[in-house]
Amino acid sequence: DTEVTQTPKHLVMGMTNKKSLKCEQHMGHRAMYWYKQKAKKPPELMFVYSYEKLSINESVPSRFSPECPNSSLLNLHLHALQPEDSALYLCASSPTRQALAKNIQYFGAGTRLSVL
Amino acid sequence: AQTVTQSQPEMSVQEAETVTLSCTYDTSESNYYLFWYKQPPSRQMILVIRQEAYKQQNATENRFSVNFQKAAKSFSLKISDSQLGDTAMYFCAFLVEYGNKLVFGAGTILRVKS
Repeated sequence: DTEVTQTPKHLVMGMTNKKSLKCEQHMGHRAMYWYKQKAKKPPELMFVYSYEKLSINESVPSRFSPECPNSSLLNLHLHALQPEDSALYLCASSPTRQALAKNIQYFGAGTRLSVL
Repeated sequence: AQTVTQSQPEMSVQEAETVTLSCTYDTSESNYYLFWYKQPPSRQMILVIRQEAYKQQNATENRFSVNFQKAAKSFSLKISDSQLGDTAMYFCAFLVEYGNKLVFGAGTILRVKS
């Protein structure tokens, strides 16, 4: 099973709203990622969690707040977003360096976010 | 810093024919991994094929194969017997060994026509 599940699939929010995106995997992966993807562009890395600790923050604005409550779950909390934040948000996970098939990132289907 | 270049923004191929997507990269690292990911209109990013830089043998996965030329820093993807379901955006990606930051190319939109 190489499934990364993201909810919701679609989200529309106003600039004053607070919402959260959820990502879940049960493959025992200890690295999890958030990406932002604009139409017809490659994904842009936002955050990396390794063993539930934030290891990379690609200078993402503070209106995006990641959280990794346990090894299977990754959240992205959204607050006071701007219309330019509208995009597809992808979650991914990968095994640790010691594991077999290391370094392969498995992606979820994404959350399509629209900010009005 | 690593860079990945995909010089073909869009390509078309007839069903059952063969198509090659190009990818070049730049790095000073010796050990790394290269990937081709496929993203259909359904938007799920799916791993197509993976190549370790220390392996000289080109990776193959059914109808998909790569031509890895390490000295030329080239990593092209060949799709044989193209199928309508191969229609997607294809991304070439680079990962340094022990790293976790994928570097993506700009992508190539492939359309398979019947």
